[in-house]
Formats: sequence, structure tokens, C-alpha cells
Amino acid sequence: AQSVTQLDSQVPVFEEAPVELRCNYSSSVSVYLFWYVQYPNQGLQLLLKYLSGSTLVKGINGFEAEFNKSQTSFHLRKPSVHISDTAEYFCAVSPFQGAQKLVFGQGTRLTINP
Amino acid sequence: DGGITQSPKYLFRKEGQNVTLSCEQNLNHDAMYWYRQDPGQGLRLIYYSQIVNDFQKGDIAEGYSVSREKKESFPLTVTSAQKNPTAFYLCASSTSGSFEETQYFGPGTRLLVL
Repeated sequence: AQSVTQLDSQVPVFEEAPVELRCNYSSSVSVYLFWYVQYPNQGLQLLLKYLSGSTLVKGINGFEAEFNKSQTSFHLRKPSVHISDTAEYFCAVSPFQGAQKLVFGQGTRLTINP
Repeated sequence: DGGITQSPKYLFRKEGQNVTLSCEQNLNHDAMYWYRQDPGQGLRLIYYSQIVNDFQKGDIAEGYSVSREKKESFPLTVTSAQKNPTAFYLCASSTSGSFEETQYFGPGTRLLVL
């Protein structure tokens, strides 16, 4: 079985400051890793995903994430945030087994203050 | 424009009533999914389908039913057996359901109990 823990339920930051949203996972099999973003009252959209290769993955809107296999982490970062980044962010894993069944974390609400 | 549409945006259910949430996609995707989102709990998989006329239970299928008679449509029925149906319901699709694929989400339906 897999589980995903997002270590912060809410993260407030000032505009133009850097941010890190933390994600740890547990799995008995290898997994692919995803970050999705949800703007208020909308569906989710993919920010980035790690499948293989370089452990530093770049996504849309200036976000990047680093896969650390030894620490089973996949933290999301952005060097300078904007008001428009206010949203909920979800980390998810997809095990290398059968059909894709994403397992999501609880979400982190990112609030950008002017 | 290709995408996923969900209707209605808001749905009200009376006690003992079954209600059906619509999900349509024009992305020519084989795989479709239904998730339930509750505050602070992330997304949980209700049902998924990788091909027409076939679907599988997810983690929280009790009290729900689905059909997949057409490739582009995957309606979800919330039955009277679902005792706590108030939630945000999200439909998603992916190309074939393989574990490395991106899932594309609809805008969601918010179900409220009268």
C-alpha cells in the first residue's frame, strides 16, 4: 500500500519570497511522483511529475521539485512567489502496478500575502 | 477546445434520493476516474474505468455506482446508501490509464444534502 504525507496543511508567505511545500511518501513498490495544483473552486492541473532520470524536475509557472529516494521525499519549491500562486497543492504517487491509481496527500494551502 | 465537462456545478440531494453526476470528455481518452474531495483529506478514488463497458472499484466505492457505455461519458450515481454524500466530486481522464500518465480533471460538482 502507498501513503502520502504533506507536512504542512497551510503555508503563508509574502509575495516574492521563496517557498517550499513538503511531501513524503511511503510505498512497498516503486512509484511515479506528481504535484497537482487546484485553484479555488476548480479541478486540478498538473504542475510537474517525476518518472525517471534527473531528480530535479521543472514544471509550469516556475515551480520545481526534487526527488530524494533515500528520504522518500518530493518537495516542491519556487524561488519567488506571486499572488496568483495562491492555491491548494497536492502531492500524489502512482505505483508501478497495474492501472494508474493515484494516491494523494491531504493538500497544502499556499496563501500569498502582499 | 478539448477538455472535461462536469454538470451540474452544484447539486442538492434530499434524504433517500439517488442523484447522478455527469462527466463528459472530448479528449479521446480511454481511462476515466471519479474522486471525492473532502476538506483536509485530499482526493480519494471512487471508481475508475480503463475501457468502455468495464470499470473497477476504488478505495471508497460503497454507496456509489457508475456506468461506461460510451468512451466519452462516465456518469456517477450517488445512491441513498451513501450516508455522507456532501463533498466536492471530481472527474478525470487519461490516455490509457497507464501509471505514468497525467490525469486531466474537470471543474467538479459540489453535492449538498438538504
